[in-house]
Amino acid sequence: AQKVTQAQTEISVVEKEDVTLDCVYETRDTTYYLFWYKQPPSGELVFLIRRNSFDEQNEISGRYSWNFQKSTSSFNFTITASQVVDSAVYFCALSERARDDKIIFGKGTRLHILP
Amino acid sequence: NAGVMQNPRHLVRRRGQEARLRCSPMKGHSHVYWYRQLPEEGLKFMVYLQKENIIDESGMPKERFSAEFPKEGPSILRIQQVVRGDSAAYFCASSPRVGNTEAFFGQGTRLTVV
Repeated sequence: AQKVTQAQTEISVVEKEDVTLDCVYETRDTTYYLFWYKQPPSGELVFLIRRNSFDEQNEISGRYSWNFQKSTSSFNFTITASQVVDSAVYFCALSERARDDKIIFGKGTRLHILP
Repeated sequence: NAGVMQNPRHLVRRRGQEARLRCSPMKGHSHVYWYRQLPEEGLKFMVYLQKENIIDESGMPKERFSAEFPKEGPSILRIQQVVRGDSAAYFCASSPRVGNTEAFFGQGTRLTVV
């Protein structure tokens, strides 16, 4: 069965600290995609990244970086030098080719960046 | 190139009324997914449609909920005889084709049942 676990319900860090959001997934499919989305207080979903199962290269985009490890079924997200505007709920998600690419979301991690 | 458009952004209904939520996919996208986000929870898949076809409705409640995606016009998620527990944010995503999971999300419709 497919499943996404975000064990951290809520995290608070002081501005400029680095913070890592954990994501562990389960799937039987060999072809799948992993996503991270940001949901700020305004409520919309902001797409951050999509990674396919055949590409284990880590990715860096500005202050954001992602660590994909198939061996541990993890797709962790790190924010470097956090800023108050990073405060949001972050969702990790999974879609599988065999299931019409519908997206399965984790429950989210609420991140508070304290000034 | 407009993104996925959902309207209305906010909808208030009294218990027992009907709610209609609309989703216009991105141009060229023929696949639509609906998700529901209950307060303080993640998004849960409801239904997947292609033009004029329901492909997967495994996440839809068995009663009162229906969805369509006609040949012309937006996709509609319809909730009949709403109850307080239907209060949630409903998100729509569109994709150009299966196997190309560029799922673009709309801004959501926040339904409040009073």
